[in-house]
Amino acid sequence: EAQVTQNPRYLITVTGKKLTVTCSQNMNHEYMSWYRQDPGLGLRQIYYSMNVEVTDKGDVPEGYKVSRKEKRNFPLILESPSPNQTSLYFCASSPTKGHYGYTFGSGTRLTVV
Amino acid sequence: AQSVTQPDIHITVSEGASLELRCNYSYGATPYLFWYVQSPGQGLQLLLKYFSGDTLVQGIKGFEAEFKRSQSSFNLRKPSVHWSDAAEYFCAVGAGYGNKLVFGAGTILRVKS
Repeated sequence: EAQVTQNPRYLITVTGKKLTVTCSQNMNHEYMSWYRQDPGLGLRQIYYSMNVEVTDKGDVPEGYKVSRKEKRNFPLILESPSPNQTSLYFCASSPTKGHYGYTFGSGTRLTVV
Repeated sequence: AQSVTQPDIHITVSEGASLELRCNYSYGATPYLFWYVQSPGQGLQLLLKYFSGDTLVQGIKGFEAEFKRSQSSFNLRKPSVHWSDAAEYFCAVGAGYGNKLVFGAGTILRVKS
């Protein structure tokens, strides 16, 4: 089944403790992206990647890092999480050419206390 | 900059009634437009998309949307709502470099029996 898999689904952590949210897709998509969803704000792009070893900032990149060492994986790293990063996070992927729309993961609900 | 406005934060309709969710976009070029649905605790599922051609687009679950360039709108419609349609709906525009999507803030649909 074609899908984007995120882990974990739920995570509670403390301020300053480094964490990684994993994302993997099995569709051989070049493009991958991370979004955060907050009430009343919709989804905002954090980082995206056009292909392996090619990443760039989205609209709200502060406090986040990403890497794209393999085509299928695009982990999101919070090196020193803060409470304002409490949010619902989505990973998404799509082919690069044309606008086909994204395939989304099921989301990761992160709480930073 | 590209933007999407969904004027209605919440909408309540009776089961069996018709539905229209509004979406207005701002984008200088020909837009790529999408509607996604998010059921509680789930990821986002693509309902339909518009790239070019026929301005009335059919999607899954009986939804359709009409692109009106003169009004910069892409409203989502359904002739008869079912209780299972209760969810949050997001309009998005394909914008800028690569495959970036810019999302509206979402409209929460409640269905009353």
